Amino acid sequence: DTEVTQTPKHLVMGMTNKKSLKCEQHMGHRAMYWYKQKAKKPPELMFVYSYEKLSINESVPSRFSPECPNSSLLNLHLHALQPEDSALYLCASSQAQGFGIQYFGAGTRLSVL
Amino acid sequence: KNQVEQSPQSLIILEGKNCTLQCNYTVSPFSNLRWYKQDTGRGPVSLTIMTFSENTKSNGRYTATLDADTKQSSLHITASQLSDSASYICVVSAGYNNDMRFGAGTRLTVKP
Repeated sequence: DTEVTQTPKHLVMGMTNKKSLKCEQHMGHRAMYWYKQKAKKPPELMFVYSYEKLSINESVPSRFSPECPNSSLLNLHLHALQPEDSALYLCASSQAQGFGIQYFGAGTRLSVL
Repeated sequence: KNQVEQSPQSLIILEGKNCTLQCNYTVSPFSNLRWYKQDTGRGPVSLTIMTFSENTKSNGRYTATLDADTKQSSLHITASQLSDSASYICVVSAGYNNDMRFGAGTRLTVKP
């Protein structure tokens, strides 16, 4: 199983809502990543978890809050988002941080109204 | 300034033709270089990964090359198919944390 599963596939939320994006992998990978991707741009790294500890936070606003409950799960909690936060949010995992094939999920298409 | 530069920005070729995409990087110390294919609206899919000691790696009709001395990589696509239409992204890992630096991608369109 080389799948990274992201839910939901699509999400529409208002600026006052609280929502969460979920990501799951069962490949035994110890590194998990959140990326934000705008149209026609490459993915931008947001967070990296290595062995369930936050390893990298690329100066992401606090309205995005990551959580890694266990080695298979990664969440991204959203609160008080802005319209400019609308994007494709991608989750990925790899054997270790920066090593091995990085498997991406299909993404969550987020629209903030 | 982006430390991973890809060229061309976009490319249109006819089905069955070959093409080569370029990736130049300045990040160091180098750890590995990856090429990804991303279809519109989907997550990227890994094509190849190369470390310092590897100078060529193939995956079907995709062949990646790496010159660690000149810090250049290329992705050659042979006998292109319509399904090759996608964005191709070069990612270089470097440093103690293997920080990944993404290129802006090349948008390839294969026409019948």
